[in-house]
Amino acid sequence: DSGVTQTPKHLITATGQRVTLRCSPRSGDLSVYWYQQSLDQGLQFLIQYYNGEERAKGNILERFSAQQFPDLHSELNLSSLELGDSALYFCASSVGEGAQTGELFFGEGSRLTVL
Amino acid sequence: GESVGLHLPTLSVQEGDNSIINCAYSNSASDYFIWYKQESGKGPQFIIDIRSNMDKRQGQRVTVLLNKTVKHLSLQIAATQPGDSAVYFCAERDWGSNYKLTFGKGTLLTVNP
Repeated sequence: DSGVTQTPKHLITATGQRVTLRCSPRSGDLSVYWYQQSLDQGLQFLIQYYNGEERAKGNILERFSAQQFPDLHSELNLSSLELGDSALYFCASSVGEGAQTGELFFGEGSRLTVL
Repeated sequence: GESVGLHLPTLSVQEGDNSIINCAYSNSASDYFIWYKQESGKGPQFIIDIRSNMDKRQGQRVTVLLNKTVKHLSLQIAATQPGDSAVYFCAERDWGSNYKLTFGKGTLLTVNP
């Protein structure tokens, strides 16, 4: 158990819909990362937050947004869903950021299926 | 650019043999590398890491080798066990890109009893 909690574990929805994925980092970790994992793309970095502020953006679509709240949990919002958004979405956390970023601790993931 | 890839997408070994999983990277600005193991239905788990000022690091049954000259990283698993069956990812941290971690596509290791 990594200490990172993600909900829901599975989600099935229809195209055009909007979903919210939730992540609670390990106790004491200030950085939260979101990754998308699909069969043909591997683990793709989406976005990083540190202590409530956005720190880095990766291949995140404009239809997707995220935020980190004062209690450090984070949510990833996916809207106008398309079939191609079906994937595993992982949240990870680490103690620090930047040069202090070391090991990332990953949650079990949220599997999104868009029908 | 940022490109982390694996030479072999699949690797099948016999229980007790040693396994070597390879990873090529192209970003000379990467200063830190991590190997992760992902079992079916689970999130990636940290195995071992290495900084760019080192060329070898050993853990329990695992060794990571870093060759910066040819931008190559390898993970060696000694006495491979069925529980080692998983997908293995290498990841690199790019200090020039706000220390972002970039993952390779992964290698599936299958250990035959």
